[in-house]
Amino acid sequence: DAKTTQPTSMDCAEGRAANLPCNHSTISGNEYVYWYRQIHSQGPQYIIHGLKNNETNEMASLIITEDRKSSTLILPHATLRDTAVYYCIVRKDSGGYQKVTFGIGTKLQVIP
Amino acid sequence: NAGVMQNPRHLVRRRGQEARLRCSPMKGHSHVYWYRQLPEEGLKFMVYLQKENIIDESGMPKERFSAEFPKEGPSILRIQQVVRGDSAAYFCASSPRSGPYNSPLHFGNGTRLTVT
Repeated sequence: DAKTTQPTSMDCAEGRAANLPCNHSTISGNEYVYWYRQIHSQGPQYIIHGLKNNETNEMASLIITEDRKSSTLILPHATLRDTAVYYCIVRKDSGGYQKVTFGIGTKLQVIP
Repeated sequence: NAGVMQNPRHLVRRRGQEARLRCSPMKGHSHVYWYRQLPEEGLKFMVYLQKENIIDESGMPKERFSAEFPKEGPSILRIQQVVRGDSAAYFCASSPRSGPYNSPLHFGNGTRLTVT
């Protein structure tokens, strides 16, 4: 699976959009971009994933650049409960085998 | 619709004792993954199991650690003769046997093991 690079930490004002970048310059054509987050003392929570088109769900939007070498997770109106570590993960289809390798992630602090 | 259930939530063991951590996957899920998170560190993959089979144990320490996922009942992560370095949060995740190959993992809220 391709390696990803994320900033170690970010701050965001409550109510504003949080834009979390992820670099995955070695991504290959059959690899998906996934985002998870881990709120303190809880298990990781799936947020969203995509291949090449932008995706949106009730939690967030995922913007993937045309060359697929980077992506941005957008939380449109950050709340204090969005304070968490956010993991960007790139993985290929493994025919049902869903092993995920987590990096360090980005620690997002939402400030009142 | 219950998610991934792990118990106990907190477990305290003295050095040398055994620790048993249980994980019940989401309904309809037959793949289970165990991860360990040491204090102030990231999540590390330990083992991947299907019913009655260990598929990938590449992240499991060679000694004292074992995992099983029997035909009936929860998956069990067993740590024998615990040492202080085993103190960590242990997370279980599950995924469905079939369905989209890019289905995400669903995690439980972990068992926090403290070895005194």
